[in-house]
Amino acid sequence: DSGVTQTPKHLITATGQRVTLRCSPRSGDLSVYWYQQSLDQGLQFLIQYYNGEERAKGNILERFSAQQFPDLHSELNLSSLELGDSALYFCASSVGFGGPDGYTFGSGTRLTVV
Amino acid sequence: AQKITQTQPGMFVQEKEAVTLDCTYDTSDPSYGLFWYKQPSSGEMIFLIYQGSYDQQNATEGRYSLNFQKARKSANLVISASQLGDSAMYFCAMREGGDSNYQLIWGAGTKLIIKP
Repeated sequence: DSGVTQTPKHLITATGQRVTLRCSPRSGDLSVYWYQQSLDQGLQFLIQYYNGEERAKGNILERFSAQQFPDLHSELNLSSLELGDSALYFCASSVGFGGPDGYTFGSGTRLTVV
Repeated sequence: AQKITQTQPGMFVQEKEAVTLDCTYDTSDPSYGLFWYKQPSSGEMIFLIYQGSYDQQNATEGRYSLNFQKARKSANLVISASQLGDSAMYFCAMREGGDSNYQLIWGAGTKLIIKP
């Protein structure tokens, strides 16, 4: 157990639907990162939060949004889902902004859009 | 342009042999960090080793070491005495410095298969 908890582990949904992925960071970590891993695009950074504030945005679609709550857990909302959104979505956390201790990843949520 | 390049899509290595996984990077930022992660077939991402751009010595963590050649912008992972459990995807990643730019940029990965 890495200490980063992601739920659900698997999600199957239909095109056009909306889903919410949840992440609880490791205790003491203030930064949360979301990554998407797909077969065609590889691993891509989506968005970062630090202590409740958005700090950096990557290749996140407008249909996607995220937030970090006061208790530091984070949610990634994916709407108007398309087949191409099928991927493994990772949440990672770090104490600050990442360094020698690396980033701790959750086990991921595997999203399948049918 | 690719910022992280892993030129070996797949590798087969005999058990107990050492293996080197290649990674080259491209950045103009003097402050950066390089990471290696392992992703077994179960899917989780496991942190292996880190090398900072200002670190004078190559990083080591147990059987893992990082062959850091700054001038060549190379950060190869060396696994000594490979084991069957080392079979996995291996990713090289970079974090560039800056006030808010702390996300990881990833290579395409190398699939390592250890043969008994």
